[in-house]
Amino acid sequence: DVKVTQSSRYLVKRTGEKVFLECVQDMDHENMFWYRQDPGLGLRLIYFSYDVKMKEKGDIPEGYSVSREKKERFSLILESASTNQTSMYLCASSLGDRGNEKLFFGSGTQLSVL
Amino acid sequence: GDSVTQMEGPVTLSEEAFLTINCTYTATGYPSLFWYVQYPGEGLQLLLKATKADDKGSNKGFEATYRKETTSFHLEKGSVQVSDSAVYFCALSAGNTGKLIFGQGTTLQVKP
Repeated sequence: DVKVTQSSRYLVKRTGEKVFLECVQDMDHENMFWYRQDPGLGLRLIYFSYDVKMKEKGDIPEGYSVSREKKERFSLILESASTNQTSMYLCASSLGDRGNEKLFFGSGTQLSVL
Repeated sequence: GDSVTQMEGPVTLSEEAFLTINCTYTATGYPSLFWYVQYPGEGLQLLLKATKADDKGSNKGFEATYRKETTSFHLEKGSVQVSDSAVYFCALSAGNTGKLIFGQGTTLQVKP
């Protein structure tokens, strides 16, 4: 089975800190995604990547950046954390078969920004 | 733009009751449609999918039929169990981009 691993289950940071959320997948998937999950809003796409060193903005990229230096790893960066970035962050990966996607999700990182 | 709308929850049912969770969508073209489930403390996992009109996806006793004429993909199960308690997300594929667009999620609580 595909495994998507997120480095932290819970994270508490202070306003203004730079925050790194790490995600690793072990099945050589081409596509990787970062979503945030908020009650009543469902999942919203922050950034995604189809290949190493490429990235595309999702629906809510403001305040975030990403890095994909290796195929298996996709990092989400909060340059200067703010309280409105308190959320559950979910990483996902999929094969390159666009239009018929089965996404594999990590367990999520609950980030609290104080 | 493309979007997915789900019925608001929470939905509370007794064990062995019939379940329907409504999902409607707006999309250009012909998206694939999905239901994902999130059990407490876990990430989402694919429950079922349908890739074209009139297709029926099914898994673990759950079913959903892709209805193009009503732009709907309602989730049904004939007899729910306590172990089905989870959050259910309807989603569609956004064109040929590889992205999924999710609804807001519906919480299901099944009581013994």
